[in-house]
Amino acid sequence: AQSVTQPDIHITVSEGASLELRCNYSYGATPYLFWYVQSPGQGLQLLLKYFSGDTLVQGIKGFEAEFKRSQSSFNLRKPSVHWSDAAEYFCAVGWREYGNKLVFGAGTILRVKS
Amino acid sequence: KAGVTQTPRYLIKTRGQQVTLSCSPISGHRSVSWYQQTPGQGLQFLFEYFSETQRNKGNFPGRFSGRQFSNSRSEMNVSTLELGDSALYLCASSSGQGAGDTEAFFGQGTRLTVV
Repeated sequence: AQSVTQPDIHITVSEGASLELRCNYSYGATPYLFWYVQSPGQGLQLLLKYFSGDTLVQGIKGFEAEFKRSQSSFNLRKPSVHWSDAAEYFCAVGWREYGNKLVFGAGTILRVKS
Repeated sequence: KAGVTQTPRYLIKTRGQQVTLSCSPISGHRSVSWYQQTPGQGLQFLFEYFSETQRNKGNFPGRFSGRQFSNSRSEMNVSTLELGDSALYLCASSSGQGAGDTEAFFGQGTRLTVV
């Protein structure tokens, strides 16, 4: 069965510090990978996506993610966090045989200390 | 270009009632997917419609149903509401046939409260 794991429910970082959010998936050799961000009570905004090619992808707001097939991981990183990055972050995975269906991780709530 | 529009934004219903939620995708998008978001279960896939046909369905009871019209607008219906149906319901639209074709754009959701 398809599953996506985000092992960290909450993460707190100081403003200006670096950030890494972890994501692992199971099932299938060819996943399509996404990171979304959600502010309270709002919809989801896409940060970045990986379909194929270069395994290091750049996204909006200074975020990047690296796909490591051997580890079934797609971790999100940012070198310097801003207070406005505080939100909930979701990793999502799709597979060719399931159309546009996405399976989401449980989410990681990011708190930023000033 | 208008985004994904979900109506209404907020709903309060009583147990046992039924409810219909609406989603208007981005113009030209033929795929609409629905997700339920709750604090306990997170984001769960309900179903996807593509060109008026249901292509995928999540693990939800038959009380949850949907349809898509020829203009790609979609509705989701929940009958015999239960307290556990209280959730944020999100709609996503895509222009491609699969997740690897293009990204999904999400609406702001409908917050359903069942009392």
